[in-house]
Amino acid sequence: GDSVTQMEGPVTLSEEAFLTINCTYTATGYPSLFWYVQYPGEGLQLLLKATKADDKGSNKGFEATYRKETTSFHLEKGSVQVSDSAVYFCALSDQGGSEKLVFGKGTKLTVNP
Amino acid sequence: EAGVAQSPRYKIIEKRQSVAFWCNPISGHATLYWYQQILGQGPKLLIQFQNNGVVDDSQLPKDRFSAERLKGVDSTLKIQPAKLEDSAVYLCASNPLDGGGTDTQYFGPGTRLTVL
Repeated sequence: GDSVTQMEGPVTLSEEAFLTINCTYTATGYPSLFWYVQYPGEGLQLLLKATKADDKGSNKGFEATYRKETTSFHLEKGSVQVSDSAVYFCALSDQGGSEKLVFGKGTKLTVNP
Repeated sequence: EAGVAQSPRYKIIEKRQSVAFWCNPISGHATLYWYQQILGQGPKLLIQFQNNGVVDDSQLPKDRFSAERLKGVDSTLKIQPAKLEDSAVYLCASNPLDGGGTDTQYFGPGTRLTVL
C-alpha cells in the first residue's frame, strides 16, 4: 500500500539556520503531497501542498517541490525562527477515491534562540 | 469560520471500559474523517464518511470500535471495550468535497485518550 517515510528526528537548530526535512513516498498512481504542522498543544494545520509533479508548494517561508523521479517532497526553509518549533508531518493523499491521508511518522523540530 | 470541534479534549479510563468521542465538522463539509494518532507516529485513518455514508472503514477494528454520523453532520466514535493499546489522540477532520478530487483536510484539536 501507499506509504510515507520521513527523516528521523528530533532536529535541533539555531535561529536563522537552514532547515531540510526529507520525505519520500511510495504510491500507485499520482498522489497529492502535503506537509502538515502541529504546534505544541494545537491540532494539525496544513502548511503547504502540491498536486502534481514539479509543483512547488510554499507558505510562511517554507517550500517543498514534488519530485516524481525521486518520489520525494522535501521541506525546506532558509532561515528558521523559534516560532517554527513544532512537529512536521509529510503526507500523501490516496487517489483511490477516498482522498484519505497517509502520514509519515513526523519530525520534531526545536529551534533555539 | 468556526473550525472542527471535538470533545472531550482529554479522557482517562480503565481498560475494558467504554468511551465515546464527539466531532462537529466545519459547516457544509460533506466528508468527515476519524484518525488515530499513537504517540510518536503519524495519524492513521480509522473511518471516512461522505455525508452520512461510510466510504472507508478498512482500518477500523470493528470488534471494539464503532462510529456513526447522524444526519451527515456530527459524528461519534465509540470504543467498547477499551484496551491499553487504544491510548492515543483521536483526530477528527473534514473537507468540503462531495466526490472525487483532492482538497485540504481541516483537523480538530483531538481527544487524548489514556487507558489504564
